[in-house]
Amino acid sequence: EIVLTQSPDFQSVTPKEKVTLTCRASQNIGIDLHWYQQKPDQSPRLLIKYTSQSFSGVPSRFSGSGSGTDFTLTINSLEAEDAATYYCHQSISVPQTFGQGTKLEIK
Amino acid sequence: EVQLVESGGGLVQPGESLRLSCAASGFTFTDASMTWVRQAPGKGLEWVGRIKRPSDGGTPDYASFVRGRFTISRDDLTNMLYLQMNSLKTEDTAVYYCGGYGIDYWGQGTLVTVSS
Repeated sequence: EIVLTQSPDFQSVTPKEKVTLTCRASQNIGIDLHWYQQKPDQSPRLLIKYTSQSFSGVPSRFSGSGSGTDFTLTINSLEAEDAATYYCHQSISVPQTFGQGTKLEIK
Repeated sequence: EVQLVESGGGLVQPGESLRLSCAASGFTFTDASMTWVRQAPGKGLEWVGRIKRPSDGGTPDYASFVRGRFTISRDDLTNMLYLQMNSLKTEDTAVYYCGGYGIDYWGQGTLVTVSS
């Protein structure tokens, strides 16, 4: 089973700041890495698929990069509405797995 | 508009069974692999399993913790996804989400509580 480790577990940031979240895979997953945002009491929402493809309707301040084992989600010019928990997910092999999540707090 | 609506959750006792349903609309169901993901209270997301689209064989895959107890199926005539859960344990307590096109799209979730 591929283990995804996200860092940090928690981050407190100010609006307009640039934020970089990371996800490390325990083995090479190519670009089959996806990012989700989950706000309290809501379903998760896809932000980025296959490392860097922005999903429909996602603000352009969200971007993704990486390959192999190291991936990043970047949020440029953070907004208050970006307060959420962010999860990475790999789909290259079964069982598919999620990272443990990074909780983003807006100061 | 893609819509995924889960139903069938509730309170059951350990060892009992439950079948969850997911009604899909707004897309060509047979073009999509479908997924179940769960989230225990206050915890992260956990992949339960998925079923491939018919053109890819329509076969299911499962997380190791559910294999043998849970069964994922789909009805491509009625655009329905199912999760049959047997021998439920207290640690299966979670919100269960249905996902479409892998997990590009998510339903609102249905809560399953396993408690005596």
